[in-house]
Amino acid sequence: GQQVMQIPQYQHVQEGEDFTTYCNSSTTLSNIQWYKQRPGGHPVFLIQLVKSGEVKKQKRLTFQFGEAKKNSSLHITATQTTDVGTYFCAARSSGNTGKLIFGQGTTLQVKP
Amino acid sequence: ETGVTQTPRHLVMGMTNKKSLKCEQHLGHNAMYWYKQSAKKPLELMFVYNFKEQTENNSVPSRFSPECPNSSHLFLHLHTLQPEDSALYLCASSQDLLYTDTQYFGPGTRLTVL
Repeated sequence: GQQVMQIPQYQHVQEGEDFTTYCNSSTTLSNIQWYKQRPGGHPVFLIQLVKSGEVKKQKRLTFQFGEAKKNSSLHITATQTTDVGTYFCAARSSGNTGKLIFGQGTTLQVKP
Repeated sequence: ETGVTQTPRHLVMGMTNKKSLKCEQHLGHNAMYWYKQSAKKPLELMFVYNFKEQTENNSVPSRFSPECPNSSHLFLHLHTLQPEDSALYLCASSQDLLYTDTQYFGPGTRLTVL
């Protein structure tokens, strides 16, 4: 079945450093969504990418969808302690309208 | 956020108990989901309902029994669970099952099976 691989699993950074998490699929994706889960919390939707090569920004967060629509990345510039949490990508294969497959998540720790 | 609520927030049960988890969404959505989140594992989709009809059962053991009486409410009935079923159970909803629909999660029920 479809799998969405996300790396790295964990990342520890010093406050102010940049952070990137990557999401890869062996199949072409209809779209990709990114969610953030704070410690002790629940996943919260961040953004959705639909178009090939699409880039979207939310303040210090930059989201990118690959040209082949098989990979995506989330980059955080100058991390802050409020960025701590687990970031999940989630996607559906082309033509699949039901099942949203989540990546394993990248847990970000930020040292002040 | 109070769009999707779940009760109880914490539950401890023995393997012979029967309990139910409740989820309610106040967003006017048509699709609802149950997910299981275990430590160091990705979110596992369990069940999907659309307009009260089950559209997906992701090979979930029969000791988990979902119920969706209407588009706003979703239950997960539990009986004779195993310790490995201990996890965070998350409910989510989306407008429909379109690929562009985003999911709104509830706070989850932290389940411990003794």
